[in-house]
Amino acid sequence: GQNIDQPTEMTATEGAIVQINCTYQTSGFNGLFWYQQHAGEAPTFLSYNVLDGLEEKGRFSSFLSRSKGYSYLLLKELQMKDSASYLCAVRDSNYQLIWGAGTKLIIKP
Amino acid sequence: GAGVSQSPRYKVAKRGQDVALRCDPISGHVSLFWYQQALGQGPEFLTYFQNEAQLDKSGLPSDRFFAERPEGSVSTLKIQRTQQEDSAVYLCASSLATQDSGNTIYFGEGSWLTVV
Repeated sequence: GQNIDQPTEMTATEGAIVQINCTYQTSGFNGLFWYQQHAGEAPTFLSYNVLDGLEEKGRFSSFLSRSKGYSYLLLKELQMKDSASYLCAVRDSNYQLIWGAGTKLIIKP
Repeated sequence: GAGVSQSPRYKVAKRGQDVALRCDPISGHVSLFWYQQALGQGPEFLTYFQNEAQLDKSGLPSDRFFAERPEGSVSTLKIQRTQQEDSAVYLCASSLATQDSGNTIYFGEGSWLTVV
């Protein structure tokens, strides 16, 4: 079966750095997405990786290793507004998005 | 429109009642997706439209669920004879091109359905 694994919850301190890991086992691979979702709101796009390596976008970076079935989302200079769920999703060989359950990130002052 | 718009935002239905959830995708977007999201879980795929054609409905949980997009823009997800297990957020998403492109998928705010 297809599976996306992420930690259920993480806690970090304002101003610090946090890394949210995602491992996947899917039938084929056509890209990996990270989305942010605040409670009661729609998921919003953060990043897309299809090749190995690091993609940097401001305070957020995303890394992919296809051979290891692994990605991480790195958030720097954490702000209170970064408290949200972070969803990892992989596009499989049928171009269908397979979603993880999300990682709830709690930022403390 | 500026973003994906869904209505109603909140719906309370009595068990056995039929409901219809509407999605207005971003203007010009070819692909439209419906997802179901339970509390604390990631979205679960329901169905996919490319323009007016429903190319994948493998995620619809039962024949009580029906979706249409007759003119290739607005879509409606209909749930007949609602059951308590249908209680969830129903997310609609759209993207500019076909699903085998690398285009970003944009989500609406969701329709929160509670079946009592």
